[in-house]
Amino acid sequence: DQQVKQNSPSLSVQEGRISILNCDYTNSMFDYFLWYKKYPAEGPTFLISISSIKDKNEDGRFTVFLNKSAKHLSLHIVPSQPGDSAVYFCAGFKNTGNQFYFGTGTSLTVIP
Amino acid sequence: KAGVTQTPRYLIKTRGQQVTLSCSPISGHRSVSWYQQTPGQGLQFLFEYFSETQRNKGNFPGRFSGRQFSNSRSEMNVSTLELGDSALYLCASSLEGSNQPQHFGDGTRLSIL
Repeated sequence: DQQVKQNSPSLSVQEGRISILNCDYTNSMFDYFLWYKKYPAEGPTFLISISSIKDKNEDGRFTVFLNKSAKHLSLHIVPSQPGDSAVYFCAGFKNTGNQFYFGTGTSLTVIP
Repeated sequence: KAGVTQTPRYLIKTRGQQVTLSCSPISGHRSVSWYQQTPGQGLQFLFEYFSETQRNKGNFPGRFSGRQFSNSRSEMNVSTLELGDSALYLCASSLEGSNQPQHFGDGTRLSIL
Protein backbone atom coordinates (compact mmCIF):
# COMPACT_ATOMS: atom_id res chain seq x y z
CA ASP A 1 0.00 0.00 0.00
CA GLN A 2 1.74 3.12 -1.28
CA GLN A 3 0.78 5.83 1.21
CA VAL A 4 2.93 8.45 -0.50
CA LYS A 5 2.76 8.77 -4.27
CA GLN A 6 4.75 10.66 -6.84
CA ASN A 7 2.84 10.23 -10.06
CA SER A 8 5.36 11.90 -12.36
CA PRO A 9 8.40 9.67 -12.87
CA SER A 10 10.28 12.43 -14.66
CA LEU A 11 10.31 16.18 -15.29
CA SER A 12 12.40 18.38 -17.59
CA VAL A 13 12.81 22.10 -17.03
CA GLN A 14 14.90 24.84 -18.63
CA GLU A 15 17.63 26.40 -16.50
CA GLY A 16 16.38 29.50 -14.71
CA ARG A 17 12.74 28.41 -14.79
CA ILE A 18 10.67 27.03 -11.93
CA SER A 19 10.62 23.29 -11.20
CA ILE A 20 7.51 21.97 -9.47
CA LEU A 21 7.60 18.46 -8.10
CA ASN A 22 4.39 16.98 -6.78
CA CYS A 23 3.53 14.44 -4.15
CA ASP A 24 0.21 13.03 -2.96
CA TYR A 25 -0.52 11.08 0.17
CA THR A 26 -3.40 8.96 1.36
CA ASN A 27 -2.84 8.96 5.13
CA SER A 28 -4.08 12.09 6.89
CA MET A 29 -2.19 11.04 10.03
CA PHE A 30 1.21 12.14 8.76
CA ASP A 31 2.79 14.64 11.13
CA TYR A 32 5.70 15.70 9.04
CA PHE A 33 6.83 15.66 5.41
CA LEU A 34 10.31 15.77 3.93
CA TRP A 35 11.96 16.03 0.55
CA TYR A 36 15.18 14.25 -0.31
CA LYS A 37 17.43 14.60 -3.33
CA LYS A 38 19.39 11.67 -4.74
CA TYR A 39 22.24 11.70 -7.22
CA PRO A 40 23.26 8.47 -9.00
CA ALA A 41 25.51 6.20 -6.94
CA GLU A 42 24.89 8.28 -3.81
CA GLY A 43 22.43 8.02 -0.96
CA PRO A 44 19.53 10.47 -0.64
CA THR A 45 20.29 13.77 1.08
CA PHE A 46 17.78 15.75 3.10
CA LEU A 47 16.53 18.89 1.37
CA ILE A 48 13.64 20.48 3.22
CA SER A 49 10.79 19.54 5.53
CA ILE A 50 7.41 20.82 6.63
CA SER A 51 5.27 20.14 9.65
CA SER A 52 1.67 19.13 9.03
CA ILE A 53 0.53 22.23 10.94
CA LYS A 54 2.19 24.52 8.42
CA ASP A 55 1.29 25.17 4.80
CA LYS A 56 4.60 26.56 3.57
CA ASN A 57 8.28 26.33 4.35
CA GLU A 58 11.02 28.11 2.47
CA ASP A 59 14.76 27.59 2.35
CA GLY A 60 16.64 29.58 -0.26
CA ARG A 61 15.61 28.44 -3.70
CA PHE A 62 13.46 25.64 -2.28
CA THR A 63 9.89 26.04 -1.06
CA VAL A 64 7.55 23.27 0.02
CA PHE A 65 3.79 23.81 0.00
CA LEU A 66 1.34 21.61 1.87
CA ASN A 67 -2.35 21.41 1.02
CA LYS A 68 -3.87 19.21 3.70
CA SER A 69 -7.41 19.27 2.31
CA ALA A 70 -6.11 17.90 -0.99
CA LYS A 71 -3.50 15.68 0.70
CA HIS A 72 -0.94 17.15 -1.62
CA LEU A 73 2.47 18.68 -1.26
CA SER A 74 4.78 20.23 -3.78
CA LEU A 75 8.40 21.29 -3.95
CA HIS A 76 9.21 24.45 -5.91
CA ILE A 77 12.75 25.15 -7.04
CA VAL A 78 13.35 28.69 -8.28
CA PRO A 79 15.46 29.32 -10.26
CA SER A 80 16.33 25.80 -11.42
CA GLN A 81 19.99 25.04 -11.98
CA PRO A 82 21.67 22.15 -13.84
CA GLY A 83 23.06 20.90 -10.52
CA ASP A 84 19.48 20.34 -9.37
CA SER A 85 19.21 17.44 -11.82
CA ALA A 86 18.59 14.45 -9.57
CA VAL A 87 15.85 12.14 -8.33
CA TYR A 88 13.60 13.75 -5.72
CA PHE A 89 11.78 11.70 -3.11
CA CYS A 90 9.03 12.95 -0.84
CA ALA A 91 8.36 11.20 2.45
CA GLY A 92 5.74 11.33 5.16
CA PHE A 93 6.31 10.58 8.83
CA LYS A 94 3.90 9.52 11.55
CA ASN A 95 5.00 10.16 15.14
CA THR A 96 2.98 7.18 16.33
CA GLY A 97 4.52 4.74 13.87
CA ASN A 98 8.02 6.20 13.96
CA GLN A 99 8.45 5.33 10.30
CA PHE A 100 9.10 7.23 7.11
CA TYR A 101 6.98 6.43 4.04
CA PHE A 102 8.69 7.33 0.79
CA GLY A 103 7.28 8.01 -2.65
CA THR A 104 8.69 6.39 -5.79
CA GLY A 105 10.69 9.46 -6.81
CA THR A 106 10.67 11.99 -9.65
CA SER A 107 13.71 12.38 -11.86
CA LEU A 108 14.32 16.08 -12.54
CA THR A 109 16.45 17.17 -15.48
CA VAL A 110 17.39 20.83 -15.70
CA ILE A 111 18.41 21.69 -19.25
CA PRO A 112 21.17 24.33 -19.57
CA LYS B 1 32.29 14.43 10.67
CA ALA B 2 32.18 11.11 8.85
CA GLY B 3 28.91 10.21 7.18
CA VAL B 4 27.02 6.95 7.14
CA THR B 5 29.25 4.18 5.81
CA GLN B 6 27.89 1.10 4.12
CA THR B 7 29.94 -1.92 3.13
CA PRO B 8 30.34 -3.47 0.70
CA ARG B 9 29.30 -1.08 -2.08
CA TYR B 10 28.60 -3.86 -4.55
CA LEU B 11 27.81 -7.52 -4.09
CA ILE B 12 26.95 -10.36 -6.44
CA LYS B 13 25.30 -13.49 -5.10
CA THR B 14 23.39 -16.44 -6.48
CA ARG B 15 19.92 -17.66 -5.60
CA GLY B 16 19.73 -19.54 -2.32
CA GLN B 17 22.77 -17.90 -0.78
CA GLN B 18 22.68 -15.58 2.17
CA VAL B 19 24.23 -12.14 2.53
CA THR B 20 25.16 -9.73 5.31
CA LEU B 21 25.35 -5.98 4.76
CA SER B 22 26.97 -3.57 7.18
CA CYS B 23 26.17 0.00 8.18
CA SER B 24 28.16 2.35 10.40
CA PRO B 25 26.06 5.37 11.40
CA ILE B 26 27.24 8.89 12.01
CA SER B 27 29.00 9.09 15.36
CA GLY B 28 26.46 9.72 18.12
CA HIS B 29 23.48 8.57 16.06
CA ARG B 30 21.56 5.81 17.79
CA SER B 31 18.78 5.17 15.29
CA VAL B 32 19.53 3.13 12.18
CA SER B 33 16.98 2.32 9.49
CA TRP B 34 17.27 0.08 6.45
CA TYR B 35 15.51 0.56 3.12
CA GLN B 36 15.29 -1.37 -0.14
CA GLN B 37 15.20 0.64 -3.35
CA THR B 38 14.06 -0.96 -6.59
CA PRO B 39 13.07 0.73 -9.87
CA GLY B 40 9.49 1.96 -9.69
CA GLN B 41 9.09 1.10 -6.00
CA GLY B 42 10.88 3.95 -4.33
CA LEU B 43 12.35 3.35 -0.90
CA GLN B 44 10.67 0.52 0.94
CA PHE B 45 11.19 0.50 4.69
CA LEU B 46 12.71 -2.69 6.09
CA PHE B 47 13.28 -2.01 9.78
CA GLU B 48 14.63 0.47 12.31
CA TYR B 49 16.94 -0.19 15.23
CA PHE B 50 17.46 2.00 18.26
CA SER B 51 19.76 1.16 21.15
CA GLU B 52 20.19 -2.43 19.93
CA THR B 53 16.43 -3.04 19.74
CA GLN B 54 14.29 -3.37 16.66
CA ARG B 55 11.79 -0.59 17.17
CA ASN B 56 9.90 -0.79 13.91
CA LYS B 57 9.51 -3.24 11.04
CA GLY B 58 8.25 -2.95 7.50
CA ASN B 59 6.34 -5.48 5.45
CA PHE B 60 9.14 -7.82 4.37
CA PRO B 61 9.40 -11.59 4.80
CA GLY B 62 11.33 -13.14 7.65
CA ARG B 63 14.26 -13.83 5.34
CA PHE B 64 15.20 -10.22 6.00
CA SER B 65 16.63 -9.66 9.44
CA GLY B 66 18.93 -7.25 11.16
CA ARG B 67 20.66 -6.37 14.35
CA GLN B 68 22.37 -3.44 16.01
CA PHE B 69 25.46 -3.52 18.16
CA SER B 70 26.28 -1.50 21.26
CA ASN B 71 28.31 0.97 19.16
CA SER B 72 25.17 1.55 17.02
CA ARG B 73 26.65 -0.22 13.99
CA SER B 74 24.04 -2.32 12.27
CA GLU B 75 23.97 -5.35 10.03
CA MET B 76 21.25 -6.59 7.74
CA ASN B 77 21.02 -10.23 6.71
CA VAL B 78 19.06 -11.75 3.86
CA SER B 79 18.82 -15.53 3.71
CA THR B 80 17.79 -17.80 0.84
CA LEU B 81 18.29 -15.06 -1.70
CA GLU B 82 15.80 -14.69 -4.55
CA LEU B 83 16.18 -12.92 -7.89
CA GLY B 84 13.72 -10.28 -6.68
CA ASP B 85 16.07 -9.32 -3.86
CA SER B 86 18.30 -7.55 -6.39
CA ALA B 87 18.17 -3.94 -5.27
CA LEU B 88 20.00 -1.03 -3.71
CA TYR B 89 19.96 -1.38 0.06
CA LEU B 90 20.22 1.92 1.90
CA CYS B 91 20.98 2.55 5.52
CA ALA B 92 20.05 5.79 7.27
CA SER B 93 20.88 7.10 10.71
CA SER B 94 19.59 9.84 12.96
CA LEU B 95 20.22 10.96 16.53
CA GLU B 96 17.10 9.68 18.21
CA GLY B 97 14.90 8.55 15.37
CA SER B 98 11.50 10.12 15.57
CA ASN B 99 10.90 12.79 12.96
CA GLN B 100 14.47 13.95 12.60
CA PRO B 101 15.76 13.92 9.02
CA GLN B 102 17.76 10.82 8.32
CA HIS B 103 21.28 10.77 6.93
CA PHE B 104 21.75 8.12 4.28
CA GLY B 105 24.73 6.07 3.25
CA ASP B 106 25.52 5.51 -0.42
CA GLY B 107 24.01 2.04 -0.32
CA THR B 108 24.99 -1.51 -1.17
CA ARG B 109 24.06 -2.65 -4.68
CA LEU B 110 23.08 -6.32 -4.42
CA SER B 111 22.74 -8.34 -7.60
CA ILE B 112 21.37 -11.87 -7.56
CA LEU B 113 22.28 -14.15 -10.45
